[in-house]
This record gives sequence, C-alpha cells and structure tokens, in this order.
Amino acid sequence: KQEVTQIPAALSVPEGENLVLNCSFTDSAIYNLQWFRQDPGKGLTSLLLIQSSQREQTSGRLNASLDKSSGRSTLYIAASQPGDSATYLCAVYPLTGGGNKLTFGTGTQLKVEL
Amino acid sequence: SAVISQKPSRDICQRGTSLTIQCQVDSQVTMMFWYRQQPGQSLTLIATANQGSEATYESGFVIDKFPISRPNLTFSTLTVSNMSPEDSSIYLCSAVPPQETQYFGPGTRLLVL
Repeated sequence: KQEVTQIPAALSVPEGENLVLNCSFTDSAIYNLQWFRQDPGKGLTSLLLIQSSQREQTSGRLNASLDKSSGRSTLYIAASQPGDSATYLCAVYPLTGGGNKLTFGTGTQLKVEL
Repeated sequence: SAVISQKPSRDICQRGTSLTIQCQVDSQVTMMFWYRQQPGQSLTLIATANQGSEATYESGFVIDKFPISRPNLTFSTLTVSNMSPEDSSIYLCSAVPPQETQYFGPGTRLLVL
C-alpha cells in the first residue's frame, strides 16, 4: 500500500525566504506526482503536475522536482510571500489499478510572516 | 479545465441523521471521486463515482454508510448516513475532464453533534 509522507508538518518563515517542502512515497511505481495548495475553507488548487518521465516542473516562483527511484519529491518556493501561507499537499497517481486515484501526503502547513 | 461546486458548503447535523452532499461540474468529465479529510489529516479517497452504475469503494468504506449516485457526466451525490461525531470532516469531490488533471471542489464542512 502506497504511503506518502511530508516533512516538515509545519513551517514558519519570514517573508522573502526561500524554502523547500519535502514529499516521500514508499512505492516508486507511480504515474504522476502532483502538488496542491489548500487554503482554509477552500478546496485544493493544483500547483504543479510532474509526469513520471519528468524530473522537474516550474511555475513562477515554484519549482518541483521528482526522483522516482528514491521515492522523493521537493517543492521549492522562492522569495516567499505572506500570500503563500497555506497547507501544501503532494499526491501520487498509481501506475496501475486506477490511474486517477490519488494518494495524498500528510501535508505541510506553511506560514510566511511579515 | 473544470469548475466544481458543492452544496452545502457546510452543515451542522445531529447524530443518527443523514446528509446528502451534491457535486456539480460545469463540463462533462470522465471520472468523479469523493474524498474525506478528517480534522488535522490529509485526504482519503472514499470511492469512485461511476456514471450509470454502482460506485467503487475503497477499503474501509461501504455503500450502506456512504451511498453515492452519479446519474450523468456532470453530477454526483454523496450521502453520509446515520451520522456520528466521527463523521465530522471535510468532504470533497473531484473530477477528471478528458485528458486533463484532477480538479477539486471547495469541500463541504460537516460537523456532527
């Protein structure tokens, strides 16, 4: 059974700092990996989708990397802003047996302070 | 892309009652899912809502407790039956348009007293 873990569980940083969120998964047989953002009282917003054949994806100040063999992904946020405060979730798509059934990580709650 | 709405956005219910949550997508989608997010925890998949047939439930979830309907390609409902305080969670539906990634609704916050 796939298990996805995120470290740290919570993080507080001053505005402007660069930071890295970590995601690890136990079964490397994944199709894709996706990073989401969850704001209180709202649903999930997709940030980046990394296909299994890719090693990284970039969108603005965000960069996500994927190392399937070691079961790890990182989300790099450059020049953090208070508006980045949210819970960040990584999720993996299985390679077989239901390609769209996501397994979510435990989440990292980020707070960017002025 | 897909825009997903859920009703109700939140509710407070008495134990022993049932609540039906609606999920509406603004376009036809291939797949729809229901997730649960218990307080302080991540999302757990409840079931896949299959259009025109019975839903496919994940381990630990059963149809009697969480009956699901999906009458067409844009709409699904999840009922939380015979509720107890342990059912207090956020319930989210998601949808997958053809050849696209997964989109999520805003969630329904349920508190069972």
